[in-house]
Amino acid sequence: AQSVTQLGSHVSVSEGALVLLRCNYSSSVPPYLFWYVQYPNQGLQLLLKYTTGATLVKGINGFEAEFKKSETSFHLTKPSAHMSDAAEYFCAVKDTGKLIFGQGTTLQVKP
Amino acid sequence: DVKVTQSSRYLVKRTGEKVFLECVQDMDHENMFWYRQDPGLGLRLIYFSYDVKMKEKGDIPEGYSVSREKKERFSLILESASTNQTSMYLCASSLHERNQPQHFGDGTRLSIL
Repeated sequence: AQSVTQLGSHVSVSEGALVLLRCNYSSSVPPYLFWYVQYPNQGLQLLLKYTTGATLVKGINGFEAEFKKSETSFHLTKPSAHMSDAAEYFCAVKDTGKLIFGQGTTLQVKP
Repeated sequence: DVKVTQSSRYLVKRTGEKVFLECVQDMDHENMFWYRQDPGLGLRLIYFSYDVKMKEKGDIPEGYSVSREKKERFSLILESASTNQTSMYLCASSLHERNQPQHFGDGTRLSIL
C-alpha cells in the first residue's frame, strides 16, 4: 500500500526565510504526487503536481517541489516566506483513483 | 477553472436528525469524494464514486451513506447524526485518469448538538 509521511507537524520560519516542507512517500508503482495548501476554514487548493517528465515542478505562489526517486521524496520549497503563506500544507500520492494524504504540516511565518 | 460547490459552509443539527450534505461540480468529472477532517487525524476518506449510481466505501464509512444520481452531484447522508460526527466535511472531484488531481470544495463545518 502506498503511504505518505510529512516530517514535522509544525514548521516556523521568519518572513523572508527559506521554506522547506518535507514529504516522503512509499509506492510500488511510479508515483503521482501532489501538494495542497489549506487556509483556515477553507478547502484544499492545489499548489503543484508531479506526474511525469521534469522532476523540478513549479507551482503557484512561488512554491516548487523536486521529485527525487532515489530518496522517495517530494519536498516543497519557497525561497522567501511571506506572511500570507501561513497555512496547512498536505502532501499526497495517487493510489488508483484515491489520494493518500500525509498528516499535514502547519507553516507559521513570523514577522 | 473547476468549481466544486458545497451547499453549506456551516451547519448545526441535532442528535438523531437525518443530515444531507450536498456537493456539485461543474467540470463533468467522473470521480467524486467525501472526506472528513479532524484535528490530529488529517483527512479521512468516507466514500467515493467513480460513476453515476456507483459508490465505494472509503476508510471510515460507518454511520454514513451516499447518493450519486447525477454525474455532477454527490450527496453525503448522515442517517442518524451523532455528536462524534461533528467535523469539517470536504467534497472533491477529479477526472478518472490517474495523473489528474482532485479539486476540493470550501468545506462544510458541521456541528451536531
